[in-house]
Amino acid sequence: DQQVKQNSPSLSVQEGRISILNCDYTNSMFDYFLWYKKYPAEGPTFLISISSIKDKNEDGRFTVFLNKSAKHLSLHIVPSQPGDSAVYFCAASGYTGNQFYFGTGTSLTVIP
Amino acid sequence: DSGVTQTPKHLITATGQRVTLRCSPRSGDLSVYWYQQSLDQGLQFLIQYYNGEERAKGNILERFSAQQFPDLHSELNLSSLELGDSALYFCASTLGEGLYNEQFFGPGTRLTVL
Repeated sequence: DQQVKQNSPSLSVQEGRISILNCDYTNSMFDYFLWYKKYPAEGPTFLISISSIKDKNEDGRFTVFLNKSAKHLSLHIVPSQPGDSAVYFCAASGYTGNQFYFGTGTSLTVIP
Repeated sequence: DSGVTQTPKHLITATGQRVTLRCSPRSGDLSVYWYQQSLDQGLQFLIQYYNGEERAKGNILERFSAQQFPDLHSELNLSSLELGDSALYFCASTLGEGLYNEQFFGPGTRLTVL
């Protein structure tokens, strides 16, 4: 069962515009959410995270929004740059329990 | 460079065989995680070790096993290999025990089962 879902396999955005990547989850017990970025032939790298006690976390050009009632989170990248072209994975975990789930990823292409 | 190393980079083997993938965590990190990424699939969490002990288990098949040694490196053993086991296998490490910690990933081992 896919407890973390990224329904858009790909997204194309013009350089300088906003990129919005979406993620839905099914388990209301998840406490912590993370975004990872992955370039080809490399392992994922951590981007930004958010705890369930917050609804927004910002780090430079990257902002993650969490809507607990909708079980939905999104990653906003503003402004988008060509170097942001990569696959983005969202992930979810609980502070207790022993499960950790990644989504299937969204491939972002930023067009110069 | 995340500081996590994985060997080998590529592995080609036949069905029914057994292979061992190796992971060295970042210096100082006590947790090692293993993931499988199949074609068109996200990363599937397999298992976590913390300071030599199994801490969390995900969707790991019974044919697969792992261990973490006193020097904190870890090995993932895959046996009775099937075509469907062809995938990228990543390991990651963190200092702490919690699955919610930022994980540092290695470059992966690409396993091809023929």
